[in-house]
Amino acid sequence: AQSVAQPEDQVNVAEGNPLTVKCTYSVSGNPYLFWYVQYPNRGLQFLLKYITGDNLVKGSYGFEAEFNKSQTSFHLKKPSALVSDSALYFCAVRAYTGGFKTIFGAGTRLFVKA
Amino acid sequence: DTEVTQTPKHLVMGMTNKKSLKCEQHMGHRAMYWYKQKAKKPPELMFVYSYEKLSINESVPSRFSPECPNSSLLNLHLHALQPEDSALYLCASSQGAGTSGLEQYFGPGTRLTVT
Repeated sequence: AQSVAQPEDQVNVAEGNPLTVKCTYSVSGNPYLFWYVQYPNRGLQFLLKYITGDNLVKGSYGFEAEFNKSQTSFHLKKPSALVSDSALYFCAVRAYTGGFKTIFGAGTRLFVKA
Repeated sequence: DTEVTQTPKHLVMGMTNKKSLKCEQHMGHRAMYWYKQKAKKPPELMFVYSYEKLSINESVPSRFSPECPNSSLLNLHLHALQPEDSALYLCASSQGAGTSGLEQYFGPGTRLTVT
């Protein structure tokens, strides 16, 4: 079965410190992986994706993610967190299950403290 | 223009009412989606339209009826809803639906409350 796991409900980090939001996946075939961010009472915004190529993917707002095939992980990172990064982050995989669907992880709430 | 718009922003309806949610995109995308999202949960796929044809229905109750009048518009008609249908309804679009590597662009959502 195709699935995505985000093991942390919440991540707390101080402003200026590096942040990591974890994601692991289980898919058959090549994984197509995404990160989305959701601010309160808003829709999701696309941050970045991995399709193929370099394992380090750079995205919007200074975020990047590292694809690790052996560990089946796609962790989201940022070298220096901002208070404005506080939001709900979803890892997702796009897979074929009776049609191409985006399967979202449960989400990780990021709190960045000033 | 990378914007997906949704109206209304908020909707309160009784269980006997009929209402519609609207979604519009002008990015030339050929796939459009409806998702339902409960608080602090991930979005749940409801429907997918590809080239204005319904391609996926995730066993959604018939009290939800989607419609795609043209490639830019997507509606969700609501009738005889239940209180448990209260949620944030998100519309999204992508360049296509038949490939894996395409990101989705989401609207801000309609906050629906069923009383």
